[in-house]
Amino acid sequence: GAGVSQSPRYKVAKRGQDVALRCDPISGHVSLFWYQQALGQGPEFLTYFQNEAQLDKSGLPSDRFFAERPEGSVSTLKIQRTQQEDSAVYLCASSLDYSGGGGYTFGSGTRLTVV
Amino acid sequence: GESVGLHLPTLSVQEGDNSIINCAYSNSASDYFIWYKQESGKGPQFIIDIRSNMDKRQGQRVTVLLNKTVKHLSLQIAASQPGDSAVYFCAEWEGTYKYIFGTGTRLKVLA
Repeated sequence: GAGVSQSPRYKVAKRGQDVALRCDPISGHVSLFWYQQALGQGPEFLTYFQNEAQLDKSGLPSDRFFAERPEGSVSTLKIQRTQQEDSAVYLCASSLDYSGGGGYTFGSGTRLTVV
Repeated sequence: GESVGLHLPTLSVQEGDNSIINCAYSNSASDYFIWYKQESGKGPQFIIDIRSNMDKRQGQRVTVLLNKTVKHLSLQIAASQPGDSAVYFCAEWEGTYKYIFGTGTRLKVLA
């Protein structure tokens, strides 16, 4: 597609519920990133994929967070047993390579609200 | 004027005025920086970038200044328009594959 697509745009989850957030990056983009953006804050790095390989998951807040990109294109961020502190916008971004030049292309994000 | 606290720093300007948004970065070894614009309900969008071997770079109505001595970036927007109202983030290239984002500044351009 023309841009990075994320779904759903909004998700309300009851505390303790599992959620799955989907990211469709730009076709052919090697690098894929997940960022978490709390209200009034800048995006915080969660994890990085180069093709299907998850090279960095150092930003994942706990073992309740899990991300995958099995075929090197679509990625899913899964959060198990959601807590109120998980409420945030989850941004996916992709780039053609891993050089960083020109930055990433971001999706519009999924706003997760845990009640 | 600007306000700082639990909320995003906010800069309010009148339409037609120039806006200057500031950012301090953390790593003196960072060699590449980007300014992003984030409108409500959207992801960050690339505005302009600068490498550490430059002090200034100009785009259309935007200029980025880099002061490596004090680890400071600024974004200048000329003749601000209501469509410029958004949150602006600076991001520094971490050196391998990711960017580190600042906390952001909300710009309000008043018509």
